[in-house]
Amino acid sequence: QKEVEQDPGPLSVPEGAIVSLNCTYSNSAFQYFMWYRQYSRKGPELLMYTYSSGNKEDGRFTAQVDKSSKYISLFIRDSQPSDSATYLCAMSGGGGNKLTFGTGTQLKVEL
Amino acid sequence: GAVVSQHPSRVICKSGTSVKIECRSLDFQATTMFWYRQFPKQSLMLMATSNEGSKATYEQGVEKDKFLINHASLTLSTLTVTSAHPEDSSFYICSAGRQGTNEKLFFGSGTQLSVL
Repeated sequence: QKEVEQDPGPLSVPEGAIVSLNCTYSNSAFQYFMWYRQYSRKGPELLMYTYSSGNKEDGRFTAQVDKSSKYISLFIRDSQPSDSATYLCAMSGGGGNKLTFGTGTQLKVEL
Repeated sequence: GAVVSQHPSRVICKSGTSVKIECRSLDFQATTMFWYRQFPKQSLMLMATSNEGSKATYEQGVEKDKFLINHASLTLSTLTVTSAHPEDSSFYICSAGRQGTNEKLFFGSGTQLSVL
């Protein structure tokens, strides 16, 4: 079993839809949770950063962490074609900055 | 957000040559930098962790003599692919952590290496 599981997709949605991306994990020591967006042949861009459980909102993006269920989510409201990318979840237990990544979910927002 | 610059963005080389990739943190000091490798439609695979002023820590299965990592200053880490072969062709990405910030990493734009 992988430490972090993420559905690779691809996920195709119409413009304006609400997108839900998810990851599950098995390591209860994880405390820091991140979502990165990666366009093709580019480096990942940090979208959301959350410590421990709870919600965090930034514009059209909302990150949720449920440590009791070992489940994290990223919601994208009013999705745009420019949101088409691969979304990677990442997490860490702290100290040393070593991240464990999900495989990434490929998202396509269609006109 | 913080800026991490990676250079070059693309390199094509002949088999047997060595290639150096640079990773710089432009607006912060990075005590730790990471090097990843990514195959098409796959996630990031951590290759090694470099700490300023000390030897890099390599992940299992990564050849130290093939992938030389140097972190000589708080703003620069280099990855040298020595005696490159076609199987080393891949997308290489670096990331850096800001001193004193837990876990929040910023990534370079990546280097596409093609070995002929």
